[in-house]
Amino acid sequence: DADVTQTPRNRITKTGKRIMLECSQTKGHDRMYWYRQDPGLGLRLIYYSFDVKDINKGEISDGYSVSRQAQAKFSLSLESAIPNQTALYFCATSTQGATDGYTFGSGTRLTVV
Amino acid sequence: DQQVKQNSPSLSVQEGRISILNCDYTNSMFDYFLWYKKYPAEGPTFLISISSIKDKNEDGRFTVFLNKSAKHLSLHIVPSQPGDSAVYFCAASANFSGGGADGLTFGKGTHLIIQP
Repeated sequence: DADVTQTPRNRITKTGKRIMLECSQTKGHDRMYWYRQDPGLGLRLIYYSFDVKDINKGEISDGYSVSRQAQAKFSLSLESAIPNQTALYFCATSTQGATDGYTFGSGTRLTVV
Repeated sequence: DQQVKQNSPSLSVQEGRISILNCDYTNSMFDYFLWYKKYPAEGPTFLISISSIKDKNEDGRFTVFLNKSAKHLSLHIVPSQPGDSAVYFCAASANFSGGGADGLTFGKGTHLIIQP
């Protein structure tokens, strides 16, 4: 099993719908992150959480919300999806001072039509 | 303003030759740098890192060089192999020794293509 699991792997949804992307990890890491990747724009941070009671906005949090249900679970919600939220979404985990940075999931490809 | 810049969207290198991927940064608070490799349909995977107290770190075919005065780092792959074809992301962290509270800032990536 993968250390960081994202579900679903692919999703097509309609404009205005609410959608949740889920992430779970078996690394035992305390820190979790959501990034989105767009062609030519690299990886941009949406939200991050350093523990269950800690949630922080990243560079592009507008239109998104998150929930840290447990140390191992971090979900990303789009309350009302819009087409420019079509992207590849990655969840990542880390622990303080880890020299190998983050462990990423395999990504969720979201298409908003 | 982009704090981590990878100015080459793509790079083509012949198999067996050296691949050099470049990265520039603007934030003088960055003290830890990492390179990630990404294949299609997969998440990025950690490749190599370097602390700002060093100017070179080597791991097998991969070497990262850091020039703090120029705010520049580079990844050298020698010799390049077909399996090295991927997108490479440069990333940086501030206050890493203190926990890296702001996470990693990524560049836009460079698509490396190894030609047979």
